Amino acid sequence: QTVVTQEPSFSVSPGGTVTLTCGLSSGSVSTTSYPSWYQQTPGQAPRTLIYSTNTRSSGVPDRFSGSILGNKAALTITGAQAVDESDYYCVLYMGSGIWVFGGGTKLTVL
Amino acid sequence: EVQLLESGGGLVQPGGSLRLSCVASGFTFSSYAMSWVRQAPGKGLEWVSIFSGTSGSTYYADSVKGRFTISRDNSKNTLFLQMNSLRAEDTAVYYCAKMSKSSVAGTAYFDYWGQGTLVTVSS
Repeated sequence: QTVVTQEPSFSVSPGGTVTLTCGLSSGSVSTTSYPSWYQQTPGQAPRTLIYSTNTRSSGVPDRFSGSILGNKAALTITGAQAVDESDYYCVLYMGSGIWVFGGGTKLTVL
Repeated sequence: EVQLLESGGGLVQPGGSLRLSCVASGFTFSSYAMSWVRQAPGKGLEWVSIFSGTSGSTYYADSVKGRFTISRDNSKNTLFLQMNSLRAEDTAVYYCAKMSKSSVAGTAYFDYWGQGTLVTVSS
């Protein structure tokens, strides 16, 4: 069973830059995994941030960017704000109609 | 404006059944694939199932295969999830999500989400 891995938690100072990653327990993440990223605050539905590795969803601030770093997908927040304190999830397409979410990263801005 | 409204959640005993519904508006429902994603209390998101927009293809996570059935009624803009043989580990908020395209392919992503409906499996 393939597991999608994310850092359980991360902390960033206001105005700082943070990179969250999304990997595979076995193998590498590439653009053909079509990684996408979602932001979720407690009690709310997820919000789409990034799709197809690096395309920002409509209305998403340009401080959010996606990329492939080494063998992982990455979500970078440049100039983090207090409102960015949330849970962040990546999801990878495994082929054959199957998607797998990572366990999520709880981002603290302080 | 895209809106997705889930319903049908509630308390059910282990081994029981429940049918979730998701009524969609603000887009041409039949033209898009639709998914169910769930989130157990205090846990992360888990993709459950997808129904394509045109081909009728369906896919399931291993954790629900053989127990859950996804379906849709395009005439009523409604997505369903029939859940049978429910287990305690199926307890979660179930989200309906619109996909960005009709086909089930990696280039599709979850572009709109409902607010979810809570399913609790307990005796």
